[in-house]
Amino acid sequence: DTEVTQTPKHLVMGMTNKKSLKCEQHMGHRAMYWYKQKAKKPPELMFVYSYEKLSINESVPSRFSPECPNSSLLNLHLHALQPEDSALYLCASSVTSGSSEQFFGPGTRLTVL
Amino acid sequence: RKEVEQDPGPFNVPEGATVAFNCTYSNSASQSFFWYRQDCRKEPKLLMSVYSSGNEDGRFTAQLNRASQYISLLIRDSKLSDSATYLCVVNTFADYKLSFGAGTTVTVRA
Repeated sequence: DTEVTQTPKHLVMGMTNKKSLKCEQHMGHRAMYWYKQKAKKPPELMFVYSYEKLSINESVPSRFSPECPNSSLLNLHLHALQPEDSALYLCASSVTSGSSEQFFGPGTRLTVL
Repeated sequence: RKEVEQDPGPFNVPEGATVAFNCTYSNSASQSFFWYRQDCRKEPKLLMSVYSSGNEDGRFTAQLNRASQYISLLIRDSKLSDSATYLCVVNTFADYKLSFGAGTTVTVRA
């Protein structure tokens, strides 16, 4: 299995909703990442998990809360989002956080109303 | 100054043509270099790593010039399926973060 999967593919939520994005990989990678990508822009790093521990938080607002239940799973919990948070949320993984080749999931396209 | 800069294009080329574009990076400590390809509304996919001696993968050739701090990608015999945005990606190892360029859009026309 050489892929990163993400669910859901699309999500529409109101500003008062709580939702979660899920990411899974079975490549034995020990580093996992969340990125946010707006249209016609490159991906922006949000969080890095290394060996299930949060190692980088790029000053992301607390309405985004990451969680790494185990080495294969990565969640992003969403609460009280703003319309400007609408974007494509990409999960990626790599062998370790020092290993540069990252493999991306298909993303969750999020719309906040 | 942005860490990684690319000509956004678009490069509009006919099928069969050769197209080449560059990317410059600002951190001289950068260690790893990549080209990713991203199709519209899809995730980025690794196209190729870029090695110091330059490397080729089929119709794609990547070069690295450390002295001038740029990398390049050349696509020979362009196919319609090569139409995509090509992201230049650089890693310094110091903080395990990838720095992405804004992407170069290539459109191959029949």
